[in-house]
Amino acid sequence: GIQVEQSPPDLILQEGANSTLRCNFSDSVNNLQWFHQNPWGQLINLFYIPSGTKQNGRLSATTVATERYSLLYISSSQTTDSGVYFCAGPNTGTASKLTFGTGTRLQVTL
Amino acid sequence: KAGVTQTPRYLIKTRGQQVTLSCSPISGHRSVSWYQQTPGQGLQFLFEYFSETQRNKGNFPGRFSGRQFSNSRSEMNVSTLELGDSALYLCASSLSGQAYSPLHFGNGTRLTVT
Repeated sequence: GIQVEQSPPDLILQEGANSTLRCNFSDSVNNLQWFHQNPWGQLINLFYIPSGTKQNGRLSATTVATERYSLLYISSSQTTDSGVYFCAGPNTGTASKLTFGTGTRLQVTL
Repeated sequence: KAGVTQTPRYLIKTRGQQVTLSCSPISGHRSVSWYQQTPGQGLQFLFEYFSETQRNKGNFPGRFSGRQFSNSRSEMNVSTLELGDSALYLCASSLSGQAYSPLHFGNGTRLTVT
């Protein structure tokens, strides 16, 4: 199956700062998703982004499928952005059988 | 539209017991998958059900099983609980489980085995 690496593992930002999270895949993916897990454990789907760029408010994501990586941009960070960000890709071509990265733990401070 | 609902939110069980967790998917979603999250292993795929049939399975022992009902609700069962089964169990639903079908997760069931 595919391997998923995320960087950095930990990130501390002051409120208002911008950040870029990276996700590398060992193989090409056609169903890359980004998730945010809040401090209460809820995993929220941020983006389904097999290729190209998408934006949702202060968040945007870019996937370069041919180079096997994806980036998540967080602009003007807020304390509510704190939590763990995961990227995930399908294993063996089945979209629901996702392989998750180890996550980037983000802490936004005042 | 209501999200994915998992019950119960918390469970405490003793080694050797069995446990059943429940998941109601988003209305209209036919695929339900289950994941286990632990500090050591991260998020790992357990299995996926579609139209009452197990379509995919992860690398977990046979003590972990599941099923899906005609209304797409799903249950997972863990028999002969071990301490290492303590984890957050997350259920996710999607329209079809195929490409171009994002996953939506429930709040999870936190299982503690003592």
